[in-house]
Amino acid sequence: DAGVIQSPRHEVTEMGQEVTLRCKPISGHNSLFWYRQTMMRGLELLIYFNNNVPIDDSGMPEDRFSAKMPNASFSTLKIQPSEPRDSAVYFCASSLAAPEDTQYFGPGTRLTVL
Amino acid sequence: GENVEQHPSTLSVQEGDSAVIKCTYSDSASNYFPWYKQELGKRPQLIIDIRSNVGEKKDQRIAVTLNKTAKHFSLHITETQPEDSAVYFCAASIPGKSTFGDGTTLTVKP
Repeated sequence: DAGVIQSPRHEVTEMGQEVTLRCKPISGHNSLFWYRQTMMRGLELLIYFNNNVPIDDSGMPEDRFSAKMPNASFSTLKIQPSEPRDSAVYFCASSLAAPEDTQYFGPGTRLTVL
Repeated sequence: GENVEQHPSTLSVQEGDSAVIKCTYSDSASNYFPWYKQELGKRPQLIIDIRSNVGEKKDQRIAVTLNKTAKHFSLHITETQPEDSAVYFCAASIPGKSTFGDGTTLTVKP
């Protein structure tokens, strides 16, 4: 298995632009998580899907952030419009059934908003 | 909601010494406690985990202990090596959610 796949690995954009991050979870995993990591705030859970349904989005910073999971093998995290304070590494992770199971992280997307 | 506190935030040890990182949690319903290691520029990866029905688990040089009464759990690394240098995160999971600690930067000096 290739593990969790994220794209792009690096993204540099200008303030105000739309950014879309993509994630393919491990096949057979039913839970998917989006995290944001910064030096200041550490690792923050943004949103958690189970069986493609958003279960907990309390970590989504504001309306500029949205996430979708149209099927079991694909999820997107969109930021529109982007701001410099959104610069961070965004990780996608998946687990077999629930957060109580081991989470496998993707390689991350390093986002820089100028 | 769950609150996880991790200490210390930084830890420096001499190669061969032991390192201990501690986490406390607030929600007594938490039942799964993983530890992740994140090397510089890489993704967090699970190194060991423990469930609430077990008090201790060991895997070679790494061990985790859990005290459910006191709501704390610890990571123990023995005979540390330079390649153990990384950021270590604990987490506490209740059904439906995992909460991560803020991380501990471990430096092992050769």
